[in-house]
This record gives sequence, structure tokens and C-alpha cells, in this order.
Amino acid sequence: EAQVTQNPRYLITVTGKKLTVTCSQNMNHEYMSWYRQDPGLGLRQIYYSMNVEVTDKGDVPEGYKVSRKEKRNFPLILESPSPNQTSLYFCASSRGQSSGNTIYFGEGSWLTVV
Amino acid sequence: AQKITQTQPGMFVQEKEAVTLDCTYDTSDQSYGLFWYKQPSSGEMIFLIYQGSYDEQNATEGRYSLNFQKARKSANLVISASQLGDSAMYFCAMREPFSGAGSYQLTFGKGTKLSVIP
Repeated sequence: EAQVTQNPRYLITVTGKKLTVTCSQNMNHEYMSWYRQDPGLGLRQIYYSMNVEVTDKGDVPEGYKVSRKEKRNFPLILESPSPNQTSLYFCASSRGQSSGNTIYFGEGSWLTVV
Repeated sequence: AQKITQTQPGMFVQEKEAVTLDCTYDTSDQSYGLFWYKQPSSGEMIFLIYQGSYDEQNATEGRYSLNFQKARKSANLVISASQLGDSAMYFCAMREPFSGAGSYQLTFGKGTKLSVIP
């Protein structure tokens, strides 16, 4: 089954404790990205990657890091989480980066930083 | 100006009736894609339907159809024969060229919460 898998789905952590949200896709997609969703603000792009070893900042990259060492994986790293990073996070992928390529989302990761 | 505007924060529809969710967009590009996603209360983002800017026919996927009016820059989602399981948030999104980066950016509207009444 074609899917984008994120882990963990739910996490409560404390301020400053480094965490990684993993993302893996089994569709051999080139393009992957991370979004956060907040009430009243909608979905905002954090980082994206057009291929292995190619990453770039989205609209809200501060406080996040990413890496793309393999095509299927695109982890999101919070080096020192803060309460304002409490959010619902989505990983997404698509076959290419043209306007016609559908973007498929993971199930979301609910993150709370206390 | 907002790229994607969904003017209906919430909508109610009777079960088995049809409902239209509005979406207008703003772009100066000729090549773009329009998407609708469904987000149930469990949180996942489910792809429903896609319309390309060069597609002459309206997209359809089962009970979902997209009423694409290019000159008016609107891409309304029509759900026929509503079911209780259709109750969810619905997001309109546009993928357009991201200037200078060789990539395409996906921009979402704020969403419409649809409630289906038995």
C-alpha cells in the first residue's frame, strides 16, 4: 500500500529536549516536505526537499532542521523545542515538483511541548 | 492578498443532499494545480481531487467533482449524496511555481468545516 508514514503520532515533550519526527514514503517520490498546522493559520510549509541531499527552507523554518540522506526518508529535527512549536505536523511527498503532481500526506504527528 | 480564499468557515448539509464548498484563488501563473483535501477529526489529510489549470474538463472522482471556472479563478468542490462520514474540514490548495527556486509551492486555504446532518 502506497503511504507516507510518520512517527511518533503523538508526543508530549519538555522544552529543550531534542526530538526527531521520522517520515518515510514507499512511493519512490522525489519531493518531500514538512508542514505544521495551527488554528487560524492553516498549513504552513517548514522545509522541503526536491531530492536526496537537496533541501530548502519553507515559510516557517526557524527552530527546525531536516536531512535527506535517502530518497524515502525525510526526518524533522527539533534541536531545542519550545512551547510555540506545539502543533500538528504533516510530512508530505509527491512524485515530482510540478504543479500537476499530487501531494500525499502522512497521518500527522501531534506534538506538545511543555 | 490571500492566495486561496475559502469564504465559508462552516457549512451544514442534510444527509443525501449535495453541497458546494467554495474556493477562489489568486495567481498570475499560467500553469498551476488545484487540490482539495479532507481532514476528519482524527487529523489525517486525505487527497480528494485534482484540477490542472490546462484541463478543459472539470475533474470528477466518485461523489466529488470540481467546478472549475478559470476566468473567475474559482475551484469549488461539489459533494453529491452527502454521507455522515463526509463531516470533516475541507481544504482547497493550489500548487504554483515558487519563483526562483525551481520548485512548486503548495498553499492552503483556511478550510471549511462541513457537518452532515442525519
